[in-house]
Amino acid sequence: DAMVIQNPRYQVTQFGKPVTLSCSQTLNHNVMYWYQQKSSQAPKLLFHYYDKDFNNEADTPDNFQSRRPNTSFCFLDIRSPGLGDAAMYLCATSRGTGYTDTQYFGPGTRLTVL
Amino acid sequence: AQTVTQSQPEMSVQEAETVTLSCTYDTSENNYYLFWYKQPPSRQMILVIRQEAYKQQNATENRFSVNFQKAAKSFSLKISDSQLGDTAMYFCAFIITQGGSEKLVFGKGTKLTVNP
Repeated sequence: DAMVIQNPRYQVTQFGKPVTLSCSQTLNHNVMYWYQQKSSQAPKLLFHYYDKDFNNEADTPDNFQSRRPNTSFCFLDIRSPGLGDAAMYLCATSRGTGYTDTQYFGPGTRLTVL
Repeated sequence: AQTVTQSQPEMSVQEAETVTLSCTYDTSENNYYLFWYKQPPSRQMILVIRQEAYKQQNATENRFSVNFQKAAKSFSLKISDSQLGDTAMYFCAFIITQGGSEKLVFGKGTKLTVNP
């Protein structure tokens, strides 16, 4: 089945130790998104790629970076995780960014920062 | 401002009964899509139903239907014959145009519990 896959599902890191979260998709969608979701809150968009074009949200901290080496994969790098970065990180994909384009979500990676 | 408001942080319903989750939104756009997403505990977010703003007919997907009132900017979700597997966080969302690109904006969610 075509799907959005996130690895790992659970990630534990230490305060200040860089961490990378992975997302892959078999939907062949043009757009890939990264959201941060803290407990009992709505997902918050961090950034997205339309093909190779990177689009950063204005309020996304510089501590968060992303890479998309090819259509299928997208990575979220947290350069120096703080305690406040502990959250669920959701990857999503869509065919385009128009209002008709439904986003499909992966299962998420739950990040714990010690 | 383009916002989504879900006024019910938590709701509960008995199995087999009907429940309605409310959502209001604010936008100056004329064409847009509205969505309800479901996020079960420790599981991924999935699309439940979507509505095109220019369509007057309410969308229906099996036991899920919406009551879309464009003038009132209201988009409620009705779940009929509730099942235990419907227990989840439900997010109302719509796509807005901001800074030249479209983005999905979520409400804060309604936690629905279906009781046996």
